[in-house]
Parts: sequence; structure tokens; C-alpha cells
Amino acid sequence: GAVVSQHPSRVICKSGTSVKIECRSLDFQATTMFWYRQFPKQSLMLMATSNEGSKATYEQGVEKDKFLINHASLTLSTLTVTSAHPEDSSFYICSARTSGGASETQYFGPGTRLLVL
Amino acid sequence: AQSVTQLDSQVPVFEEAPVELRCNYSSSVSVYLFWYVQYPNQGLQLLLKYLSGSTLVKGINGFEAEFNKSQTSFHLRKPSVHISDTAEYFCAVTYQSGGYNKLIFGAGTRLAVHP
Repeated sequence: GAVVSQHPSRVICKSGTSVKIECRSLDFQATTMFWYRQFPKQSLMLMATSNEGSKATYEQGVEKDKFLINHASLTLSTLTVTSAHPEDSSFYICSARTSGGASETQYFGPGTRLLVL
Repeated sequence: AQSVTQLDSQVPVFEEAPVELRCNYSSSVSVYLFWYVQYPNQGLQLLLKYLSGSTLVKGINGFEAEFNKSQTSFHLRKPSVHISDTAEYFCAVTYQSGGYNKLIFGAGTRLAVHP
């Protein structure tokens, strides 16, 4: 159980275009979803936290107008990278949790590799 | 603020040898601790977690970790590694910020198992 999927797994786009990444919890309802960014050989950096039906909470330094997050249902969250630039190229990983409790395990998606040309 | 320190960025080891990946955390409150594994170009998979109770936690793939409150450590161990254990390992601790419970990760330890 507790499977999280991401789509697409890999995307290449031109500079200036927007890219949408989907994150789905397949067999559980995720009240909270998280979006992370990972640069090569580095750890995960939390970008934002979203709860179903409410606005996402962004971490310091993350541009909310550039990284649009929508958590429209208990099984789907989307991250849209708007007006992408080469420096946005990275590995984006989402995770989902069933509740807000600190002891609850976060389940991670397989990640999306974004390359902006 | 809470932080997680993984003392070794890389750990090379021969197949069938034991291994320990070190993790220390800083916190003045009760914490929940996790170890995740990441294989190349994949997301993170939970290895094990400590929430409460016994300080020795057993996880998947033969891994175990021991919570040591006095030393604020949560080291990961395996008595005999396989080539397939080659991956990146992340230690993580929960913390509360802005009303949410979030995970903060260590920098990761690259385990390289050699034949």
C-alpha cells in the first residue's frame, strides 16, 4: 500500500514555457502533500506544503508565482513551473501523508526529471 | 531549529561486510526519526522509522537503526551488505513549522558496495 505516482517521469521543455507535474496518491487519501527539489548529489529541499482545498505554504526563498501548486483533491496535487528557465532544471519529488501528525510517514513519488533548454 | 547531520558523505564497503551510516540530530523536543533510501533516478523509499518504544528499530532489507537520546543519534546498520544496497541514504527528522509537521533531511550518505 501507500503508493505515490508522478507524471511525467521526465520532461524536456524550451525556456519560457510552462510545465505541469502531477502527483497522485494511488491507494490512500493524502490530506497533506509536499513538493521537494533535488539537485545532483544533494539532499531534498522542501519547496512547499499543501493541504487539500487550501493554499500551499511555501518555504522561504521559493517563488510562489513561479511554482504554482494546486491540491484540488485528496489524491492529486500539481506543481506548475511557469516560464521555465534552464536554472529550473532539477529533479522534482512529491510526497504525501495521510494526516498532519508528526509521526505519520511520508510516502514519496518516483520523481520527475525536468530539463529546460 | 532542528537539523540533521550525516557525518559521512560517502561510505565504500566490500560486499558481505558490515556497515554503519551515522546520523545525528539536534532537537530539544521529542522527535520522530526516519531513514530513507534513494536508488538512482528514483524517489525515496522508507527503510525504517522510530516513533517511540524500543530504541532498536528493524526495517526492510535487513537494516536496523538504534535511537540514542543521550547522544542524539540514529545510526543505521546492516551486518552484511549486498551489491544491491548501493544507493543514497537519507536520515530525516520531523519538525513543526508554520503549523505543519515537516521532514528535514540530512545531506545524505552514498553507500557504495564493491565486490
